[in-house]
Amino acid sequence: RKEVEQDPGPFNVPEGATVAFNCTYSNSASQSFFWYRQDCRKEPKLLMSVYSSGNEDGRFTAQLNRASQYISLLIRDSKLSDSATYLCVVNLGSLFGNEKLTFGTGTRLTIIP
Amino acid sequence: DADVTQTPRNRITKTGKRIMLECSQTKGHDRMYWYRQDPGLGLRLIYYSFDVKDINKGEISDGYSVSRQAQAKFSLSLESAIPNQTALYFCATSGGYGYTFGSGTRLTVV
Repeated sequence: RKEVEQDPGPFNVPEGATVAFNCTYSNSASQSFFWYRQDCRKEPKLLMSVYSSGNEDGRFTAQLNRASQYISLLIRDSKLSDSATYLCVVNLGSLFGNEKLTFGTGTRLTIIP
Repeated sequence: DADVTQTPRNRITKTGKRIMLECSQTKGHDRMYWYRQDPGLGLRLIYYSFDVKDINKGEISDGYSVSRQAQAKFSLSLESAIPNQTALYFCATSGGYGYTFGSGTRLTVV
C-alpha cells in the first residue's frame, strides 16, 4: 500500500464550480500534513497546511480526519489559474523537528472556461 | 535571486557518464533534500541531509551519491548514468515548515 494515495484525475471542472480532492495516508503516526501545488514542468509550491480543526485560505479549505486517515482540499469558485496538479503531503516527523515529507502522486485539475 | 538554485536546468548525457547536479540555497536552512519525479510515480526521496555532517539515504539511493559541501550547498552525483535515471530532479530545503524547492534539473540519459 502506498504511504500517500490520491486520485490522479484528471478533474475537468467548469470555471466557477467547486471541486474537492481527497487523499489517504497509511501511517497513523504521521504528524503534519500539507497541500502543495505544482504547475506543469515547475517545482512544487506550498499551498497550505492541514490541521484537524480545518483551515481556510480564501477560496481554499483544507481538512484533516485523523480517525479515517484522510485529508481533503476544497476549492470554491474555481479560476482558470487554479489549473495545476495538487500534491498531498505527509510528514512523519514533528512539524518543528526533523522533517521528511512523503508526497502523493498528485491530482491533476483543469479548469474549463 | 532564487532561494534555491539548481544547476544545470537541463542536461543530456550518455550512458555510463558521471554527472553532478548542484544545489545551493540562501535561506540559511540546515535541512536539504534531493528528490526525483517521474510521471505516475510522484516525488521520491533520493538523499537528505539535516546538517553538514549528516547524510541519509532515501527510498531510492542506489546509483546516486551526494556531498554536503557547506550548509548552503548539496550536490547529487550519478556515478555511471543509466537511461532509467532520466527524470526531473528537485532539490529542496526546509526550515521546519514545509519545503522550498529549486526549479528542477531535467536530466536525460541516452
